[in-house]
Amino acid sequence: KNQVEQSPQSLIILEGKNCTLQCNYTVSPFSNLRWYKQDTGRGPVSLTIMTFSENTKSNGRYTATLDADTKQSSLHITASQLSDSASYICVVGRRGNKLVFGAGTILRVKS
Amino acid sequence: DSGVTQTPKHLITATGQRVTLRCSPRSGDLSVYWYQQSLDQGLQFLIQYYNGEERAKGNILERFSAQQFPDLHSELNLSSLELGDSALYFCASSSRDRYGYTFGSGTRLTVV
Repeated sequence: KNQVEQSPQSLIILEGKNCTLQCNYTVSPFSNLRWYKQDTGRGPVSLTIMTFSENTKSNGRYTATLDADTKQSSLHITASQLSDSASYICVVGRRGNKLVFGAGTILRVKS
Repeated sequence: DSGVTQTPKHLITATGQRVTLRCSPRSGDLSVYWYQQSLDQGLQFLIQYYNGEERAKGNILERFSAQQFPDLHSELNLSSLELGDSALYFCASSSRDRYGYTFGSGTRLTVV
């Protein structure tokens, strides 16, 4: 069964701290893995996209890693800001542009 | 602005009614996807259209239907609305480039 599991379900950190979100997947045939940021009531916005051959991708303070052998990915956020408070969704793309969504990790950054 | 336009942004209607949500994809994108996101839930795939034809179906209720028009905009029709249909409805579009998958800002539907 094609599934994407994210952990933790929610996370609270202090402004300026780093954090890492996890994503495990059982999706095949694998095409790509994406991380999205979704602010409350808004549409998801793409942060990173990685294919099978890529094991790391950065976008500013966001760095995603991919281990295709263990089928795990992580999203590391450096020097968190209040504006990072959002839901972070891991999405695995199957061949044919079919996407499998994780339930998301809700991150709250507090001052 | 993501380039994917959804209207209306908000919609309040009564149970039993019928509504139509509209989506204009990014210029050049042929595929349109519809998703439902209930409160505190993940995104649930409803249906995909590609260049006017239905390409894939997800967990779409029989009371719901969609179509994509020759100008590539799409409409999602929700009928016999129930309280449980209250949710955010997102449209996304993509091009042949598999990286080009972009979401709109959504329509918030409230059924009272």
